[in-house]
Amino acid sequence: DSGVTQTPKHLITATGQRVTLRCSPRSGDLSVYWYQQSLDQGLQFLIQYYNGEERAKGNILERFSAQQFPDLHSELNLSSLELGDSALYFCASSVTPRDAEAFFGQGTRLTVV
Amino acid sequence: SQQGEEDPQALSIQEGENATMNCSYKTSINNLQWYRQNSGRGLVHLILIRSNEREKHSGRLRVTLDTSKKSSSLLITASRAADTASYFCATDGIQGAQKLVFGQGTRLTINP
Repeated sequence: DSGVTQTPKHLITATGQRVTLRCSPRSGDLSVYWYQQSLDQGLQFLIQYYNGEERAKGNILERFSAQQFPDLHSELNLSSLELGDSALYFCASSVTPRDAEAFFGQGTRLTVV
Repeated sequence: SQQGEEDPQALSIQEGENATMNCSYKTSINNLQWYRQNSGRGLVHLILIRSNEREKHSGRLRVTLDTSKKSSSLLITASRAADTASYFCATDGIQGAQKLVFGQGTRLTINP
């Protein structure tokens, strides 16, 4: 158990819908990362937060947004869902944004039908 | 594009043998991390090696880092069936980029 909690574990939704994925980082970790893993794209970095502020942005679509709350949990919002958004979404956390081990949650498997 | 590229893409060996996987990256790094992922599951952190380190051990794992060649290797000794998984390297950019960039992974199969 990495200490990073993601909910829900599985999500099935229809195209055009909006979903919210939640991540609770390990106790003491201030930095949160979001990744998307699909079969054809591998692990793609989406976005990173540190202590509530956005620190780095990757290949995140405009239809996606995220935030980190004062209690350090983070949410990833996916809207206007398309079939191609079906993937595993991982959250990771680390103590600092740099030079620290990042620990991953078990992921949320999103299926868009 | 991916920063790290693992080689080989797939590796199949007998239980008890050693497995070596390689990772190459493109830009200067602050550190490099190795992860294991069982099919469809979360990533498990294995080891972190900093740019000023050349070798690191953890149990049956040995990681080397050659910053001049921008490459790293992960050696798993005395492999077990439970080591069957995908292995990824991830790099942390030296400046600005505060993110981990992953390669496509090596799929390791340990045959009993």
